[in-house]
Amino acid sequence: QQKVQQSPESLIVPEGGMASLNCTSSDRNVDYFWWYRQHSGKSPKMLMSIFSNGEKEEGRFTVHLNKASLHTSLHIRDSQPSDSALYLCAASDYGSSGNKLIFGIGTLLSVKP
Amino acid sequence: EAAVTQSPRSKVAVTGGKVTLSCHQTNNHDYMYWYRQDTGHGLRLIHYSYVADSTEKGDIPDGYKASRPSQENFSLILELASLSQTAVYFCASSDRDWGGIAFGSGTRLTVL
Repeated sequence: QQKVQQSPESLIVPEGGMASLNCTSSDRNVDYFWWYRQHSGKSPKMLMSIFSNGEKEEGRFTVHLNKASLHTSLHIRDSQPSDSALYLCAASDYGSSGNKLIFGIGTLLSVKP
Repeated sequence: EAAVTQSPRSKVAVTGGKVTLSCHQTNNHDYMYWYRQDTGHGLRLIHYSYVADSTEKGDIPDGYKASRPSQENFSLILELASLSQTAVYFCASSDRDWGGIAFGSGTRLTVL
């Protein structure tokens, strides 16, 4: 079973709409979360990270974290066709495994003009 | 510009042959990683390294060896390539302050 589970597997939103992506870890020791974006044929690029409970906003992107449920979500407002990509969630148990990231399978986002 | 550079960009290998994938980073990072990406499995960690001359097994190390001869270089070796090792391989690096990991552009390996 994947230690990092993402939902939905795929998502279609209209241009200008809101995209909401979810990620949950089954490892109770996880304490760091990252979101990466991977355009087709390219390598993953880090979007945002979150370590504390609550919300973090950077431009059109907002990340939430609930450490009690080990759930994080990424919200993209005013979605653009250029946001169409695979979004990967990653988690780390920094205390025991240092900088070792475990990735989910990803959510494939398609933004339709 | 600091970067993670992988070579080759793509490779076709024969079953049973030896394959070496190379990675060079100019980020001055201590940590380096090898991941493979397959449809339906996402990114899976093969080997990683905290320091030169030392490597650690990741989640799927079987069939792979790794070598870290210097801080800048990290290689992935497939001694006997198999069909199941067809995938895209990514090298990555990170620093001790833990700002996340930076990926190279990937190597597409096809084993026939």
